[in-house]
Amino acid sequence: GAVVSQHPSWVICKSGTSVKIECRSLDFQATTMFWYRQFPKQSLMLMATSNEGSKATYEQGVEKDKFLINHASLTLSTLTVTSAHPEDSSFYICSAISMTGSSYNSPLHFGNGTRLTVT
Amino acid sequence: AQSVTQLGSHVSVSEGALVLLRCNYSSSVPPYLFWYVQYPNQGLQLLLKYTTGATLVKGINGFEAEFKKSETSFHLTKPSAHMSDAAEYFCAVSVFTNAGKSTFGDGTTLTVKP
Repeated sequence: GAVVSQHPSWVICKSGTSVKIECRSLDFQATTMFWYRQFPKQSLMLMATSNEGSKATYEQGVEKDKFLINHASLTLSTLTVTSAHPEDSSFYICSAISMTGSSYNSPLHFGNGTRLTVT
Repeated sequence: AQSVTQLGSHVSVSEGALVLLRCNYSSSVPPYLFWYVQYPNQGLQLLLKYTTGATLVKGINGFEAEFKKSETSFHLTKPSAHMSDAAEYFCAVSVFTNAGKSTFGDGTTLTVKP
């Protein structure tokens, strides 16, 4: 089955530093990847949609200069949290859609998430 | 626009008992519906999905869900709960004009008592 690898699984960083999170589709090509943020005991909040070779589309209220997304290839998208602050601490999850089949009803393949803690 | 409501943020059942997790949706166009499971500190795993055709959908781990258009519901069931079923469950809806941009419900925490 389709596998999405997300790295790192957890990271602790100091306030003011930047953190990069990688999302890779291991056995399929993903034209579209999604980035979510999940607070404890809450649902997933879509942050942005990432399309290979083009600029990401951010959801309302998400700072594009703070959460930099790059989708340079069909198998890799990265999320960089710039100048991180404690309020950025959260669980970040990526997902990807396989190129095979209709994108309108294809299931999302999720990474295992990254727990970010900013001290 | 679409939305999902999961009734009951917490559901507790005994091992071997029926599991019923409720999901109602709102959509202006025919929806595509999904159930996902999330274990602690992990991403989401697809349990089952409804796109078109048969309204009773069978998924992994013995789960199934029935799409009822008249009730705008897509409840998840399992005849006999196992301890390993304890997790967070999310219902999601996706529509034609929002390919892949699923809207997720708030989740239901399932607890299984021995």
